[in-house]
Formats: sequence, C-alpha cells, structure tokens
Amino acid sequence: EIVLTQSPGSLSLSPGETATLSCRASQSVSSIYLAWYQQKPGQAPRLLIYGASSRATGIPDRFSGSGSGTDFTLTISRLEPEDFAVYYCQQRGSSFGQGTKLEIK
Amino acid sequence: DVQLVESGGGLVQPGGSLRLSCVASGLTFSRYWMSWVRQAPGKGLEWVANIKQDGSEKYHVESVKGRFTISRDNAKNTLFLQMNSLRVEDAAVYYCGRSALAYALDIWGQGTMVTVSS
Repeated sequence: EIVLTQSPGSLSLSPGETATLSCRASQSVSSIYLAWYQQKPGQAPRLLIYGASSRATGIPDRFSGSGSGTDFTLTISRLEPEDFAVYYCQQRGSSFGQGTKLEIK
Repeated sequence: DVQLVESGGGLVQPGGSLRLSCVASGLTFSRYWMSWVRQAPGKGLEWVANIKQDGSEKYHVESVKGRFTISRDNAKNTLFLQMNSLRVEDAAVYYCGRSALAYALDIWGQGTMVTVSS
C-alpha cells in the first residue's frame, strides 16, 4: 500500500501570497495517477488537479501542480480569500494524504 | 446537470448493517469507475472502495475487507456499498465519486452520514 504524506500539516498565509504544498509518496507513483483536491467546511471535496499537473474544468490558473516519482507539489499563486481550505493529494484513485490546512494569517 | 445523490445513512448499533446507495444522473454511469470515500468527524478523507465499469473488478481498503462490499447496477445508474459488522470507527460521512480522469474523482455526491453507536 502506498502511503502519501503531506506537508506542512497547516500553513498560515495572507491573501496575495503564494502557497506551496507538498505530497510525498512511500514509493514511486505514476504522475498520471496523482490528483489534488480542495475541501471547504461542510462541503464535498472538489477536484483541482489530475495527472499531477492538469487543471480540472473551471479551476483557475492560479492553481498548478508539478512533480514526479515520489514528490509532488501543489502551488497556489496570488491567494484569494476563497482559497483558504484543506487540500488533499490522492494516488490512483485510492489512498489520500492526511491533508494540509491553509489558513488566513 | 451531472449529479450524484447518496442515501441510506443513519444510526446503527455496533455489529449492525447498512446499505448505502448513490444514484447518478446526467452522465453515462456505465462508462466510469466509481468510488466510495469516507470522512470521520474532524478527520481527513479515506478511500473505501472502487469498482470498474462492468463490476468485474472491485477493490476495498484493508480495514473494511470482509465487511463492506461495493457493487453497482448500471441499468439503474446506482452504486451501492453494503456495510456489515459495523464498528464505531466506521462512523463517517460517506461520499460517492466518479472516476473520469486517470482515476481522479471529478464528480462527488453531497455525502450521507453513518453513525455507529449503542
């Protein structure tokens, strides 16, 4: 079983800044199968990125994904107030990371 | 509109059973892998199970193997999760999701709450 570890556990930033979220896999993951989600309180998750770097429909270009092998990154540029949420990575439609909470500073 | 609607959650005693359903509309259900994902109160997301388009392949997380079974009825555009021998630690919101993009879940339901308590 592949374990995904996200860091940091929480991140406190101001609107306009850039957030860099990490997802590390216990063994190599094909980039095709690495996804990122955003979840706000009381809501279902929303797909942001699939295939490590492809944005899902309707996702602004402030969100970008990169990485390969065991190390993947979600970057959110020019943070907007609506971006403060919890972010999860997932591999091959199965195991999730434990999440990174992005908070307003 | 593309939509997934879960139902079947509720309060059950430890050792009891529940059957969750997820009805799809606005999409060709039979073309997609489907998944169940759960979230315990205040916790992160946990993948539970997924199933191939024709039901010929099914996978479950280790903690539910032998107790939960995913299935689907393509004629009724419905995904199921049969949950037996429920434990307190199975209490969560259960979401169904469509896998359309390299297994990524691009469409999610609103979730159904399962409470396991005596």
